[in-house]
Amino acid sequence: EAQVTQNPRYLITVTGKKLTVTCSQNMNHEYMSWYRQDPGLGLRQIYYSMNVEVTDKGDVPEGYKVSRKEKRNFPLILESPSPNQTSLYFCASRRGQGAYEQYFGPGTRLTVT
Amino acid sequence: GQQVMQIPQYQHVQEGEDFTTYCNSSTTLSNIQWYKQRPGGHPVFLIQLVKSGEVKKQKRLTFQFGEAKKNSSLHITATQTTDVGTYFCAGPGETSGSRLTFGEGTQLTVNP
Repeated sequence: EAQVTQNPRYLITVTGKKLTVTCSQNMNHEYMSWYRQDPGLGLRQIYYSMNVEVTDKGDVPEGYKVSRKEKRNFPLILESPSPNQTSLYFCASRRGQGAYEQYFGPGTRLTVT
Repeated sequence: GQQVMQIPQYQHVQEGEDFTTYCNSSTTLSNIQWYKQRPGGHPVFLIQLVKSGEVKKQKRLTFQFGEAKKNSSLHITATQTTDVGTYFCAGPGETSGSRLTFGEGTQLTVNP
């Protein structure tokens, strides 16, 4: 089954404790993204990757890091989480840079206290 | 930078009533996509519009792309409780065509 998986689905952590949210897709997609969703603000892109070893900042990259060492994986790293990073995070992938539909993962609800 | 705005932010309807959400971009779009997110779920792709003035239908859902390619609408005829969710439009970014800019979404609730 074609899908995007994320782990963990829920995470409660404390300020400053480094964490990684994993994302994996099994569709051989080139393009992957991370979004955060906050009430009234829609989906805002954090980082994206057009292919292996090619990543770039989205609209709200501050406080986040990503890497793309393999085509299927695109982890999101919070080196020193802060309470304003409490949010719902979605990983997404699509076939390429063009106008293709995006497939979203199930989401990770992160709470930073 | 590019902005994609959606109205209304919330819409409550009685089952059987129609519903429309509007999407407006500050720049001309090469295409526009629509997604639906059920409560507690993730966004799911519904459709993509590419041509000026394009109209596409999916059962009770009708999608339109404006002539100037700066606005779009989603109309649902005779809503059902299964239509509950948040509807997002998304268009490619101004400076980077590969990026998608999402609207804030319209949250639809349907009273049975």
